[in-house]
Amino acid sequence: AQKITQTQPGMFVQEKEAVTLDCTYDTSDPSYGLFWYKQPSSGEMIFLIYQGSYDQQNATEGRYSLNFQKARKSANLVISASQLGDSAMYFCAMRETGYSTLTFGKGTMLLVSP
Amino acid sequence: DAGITQSPRHKVTETGTPVTLRCHQTENHRYMYWYRQDPGHGLRLIHYSYGVKDTDKGEVSDGYSVSRSKTEDFLLTLESATSSQTSVYFCAISDGGREGNQPQHFGDGTRLSIL
Repeated sequence: AQKITQTQPGMFVQEKEAVTLDCTYDTSDPSYGLFWYKQPSSGEMIFLIYQGSYDQQNATEGRYSLNFQKARKSANLVISASQLGDSAMYFCAMRETGYSTLTFGKGTMLLVSP
Repeated sequence: DAGITQSPRHKVTETGTPVTLRCHQTENHRYMYWYRQDPGHGLRLIHYSYGVKDTDKGEVSDGYSVSRSKTEDFLLTLESATSSQTSVYFCAISDGGREGNQPQHFGDGTRLSIL
């Protein structure tokens, strides 16, 4: 079974609107961390936001926030007030306790239109 | 930006030839990683290192070897390249390990084509 599932291959949103990118994960570990990365067309991988499994509040970083629902094993990325520069591939990743490695989902391509 | 340099940035080579990709960091981070990125697969871990001369296999390690003789350098070698190893290769570094919120920071990638 996949550890990280991103069910939306592509998403479209209009500029200034909010968009949610889905991520579900599979682990039996009670302690884990979830990461989101952005990959624009230029190719670099940019770290966006982190959520720990024991964090009491949903993570936020500027226009990025995580809708973390632990019981449902989902960690959806919410981008508020989309900008044209948000057009990119977005990856969700997980680190489980005792491992220094990340497992990545297959990504969601977001296109922001004017 | 994290000081990570991958070289070369682009390479075209022939099947059966050896290829070595280099990752150099100036951050003195303990952990270094090699990933490959292919359409429809996201990023998949090839090998990683948790210290000088300490390495371990990832999800897709067959056909690849690594070495880390200095903290700052992590080499990925394809002993005899095959067309299935055509991919974009990313190096990443991290100063955290098994706990905490330390993200991995990535290099700009190496586009490798094997004909």
